[in-house]
Amino acid sequence: KNQVEQSPQSLIILEGKNCTLQCNYTVSPFSNLRWYKQDTGRGPVSLTIMTFSENTKSNGRYTATLDADTKQSSLHITASQLSDSASYICVVSPLYGAQKLVFGQGTRLTINP
Amino acid sequence: DTGVSQDPRHKITKRGQNVTFRCDPISEHNRLYWYRQTLGQGPEFLTYFQNEAQLEKSRLLSDRFSAERPKGSFSTLEIQRTEQGDSAMYLCASSFLEIGGGNLAKNIQYFGAGTRLSVL
Repeated sequence: KNQVEQSPQSLIILEGKNCTLQCNYTVSPFSNLRWYKQDTGRGPVSLTIMTFSENTKSNGRYTATLDADTKQSSLHITASQLSDSASYICVVSPLYGAQKLVFGQGTRLTINP
Repeated sequence: DTGVSQDPRHKITKRGQNVTFRCDPISEHNRLYWYRQTLGQGPEFLTYFQNEAQLEKSRLLSDRFSAERPKGSFSTLEIQRTEQGDSAMYLCASSFLEIGGGNLAKNIQYFGAGTRLSVL
């Protein structure tokens, strides 16, 4: 069973709309949670990183939230742009063995004009 | 370009052949990681180095896989006697960890564009 589960698996929205991607994890204890953006054929690029004590972190139009009690995180994208089309991957870093990042399977987001 | 670079970007090989990939990390980074990613899945950890020392290997890394980082700079990942199941994207990442541990939360891994391997 994957320790990091993301939903939805894929999402299509119109340009300018907002959307929220979900991440549930079972990795415990954990050090930090990260969201990465991966364009097709490219490596992942870090968007946000939150420690277990942080509840929210923003990076431009991207806002990540974390609820360590329920082991849930979300990534909210506002005023979507065509360039936001990509896979968004939730990644949890265990407290022990912190270098072995645990990746979710990603949400494939498509922005249509 | 001062990011993580990987070579080649694409590799097509026949089953049973050996392949080698190269990763050049960001120059000041002391940690280097290898991941494997199959279509529609997130990356899976394979192994990582701190300087030239290989500190951890995943059980995914079978005996046919070997990774080296001889001088603590670039790294190579070799797959011997390739199988069709080896077809995947192989990603390299690097990061800088301060001596003494530092703030692990700041140990952001920067990824290369990956090498896509197709085994026929």
